[in-house]
Amino acid sequence: LAKTTQPISMDSYEGQEVNITCSHNNIATNDYITWYQQFPSQGPRFIIQGYKTKVTNEVASLFIPADRKSSTLSLPRVSLSDTAVYYCLVGDYYSGNTPLVFGKGTRLSVIA
Amino acid sequence: EPEVTQTPSHQVTQMGQEVILRCVPISNHLYFYWYRQILGQKVEFLVSFYNNEISEKSEIFDDQFSVERPDGSNFTLKIRSTKLEDSAMYFCASSERASVSIYFGEGSWLTVV
Repeated sequence: LAKTTQPISMDSYEGQEVNITCSHNNIATNDYITWYQQFPSQGPRFIIQGYKTKVTNEVASLFIPADRKSSTLSLPRVSLSDTAVYYCLVGDYYSGNTPLVFGKGTRLSVIA
Repeated sequence: EPEVTQTPSHQVTQMGQEVILRCVPISNHLYFYWYRQILGQKVEFLVSFYNNEISEKSEIFDDQFSVERPDGSNFTLKIRSTKLEDSAMYFCASSERASVSIYFGEGSWLTVV
């Protein structure tokens, strides 16, 4: 499994755009990049998944450069309710042989 | 939105007792998982289950643990003889395809005393 590195914590004010970058230097050809969000005492929640370039949904955008050695989760105009831990995961999920392995994630604190 | 439901939400048990945690995955999902999270630590993979058998398991998932899908809707995790270090939040999860867009339940908080 590709090792991922992301900041331990980040702070942001409400209304700002937040970008969380994840490094995955040894990502393999078949690996996808997936981000999950976890609120205290709740299960992780799928946010977005991508393979290359840019993916956008109603919650976030995911930017992946051509070399795929990093990715950036972008949360537009965060609110207090976006305070959570965000996990970057990398793996060959579509093969069916790679369980999700969570790291420590990035603890985002949104301040009023 | 469909969801994974887990029971109980909280259970306190004495060390050495057997515990069964129950889960109802999303109805059209074929892949099922158990994860756990010790307080303040990261989410840890325990086991994945597909086609009525274990497909992957971690080193945490030793002989004390077992999983079962006793009928068409429930998915259970049994811990035979609980230890203090089994105290954690246990998350059940399911997905249509292996490890893709996994949906997690709200968790069962297990306290072993």
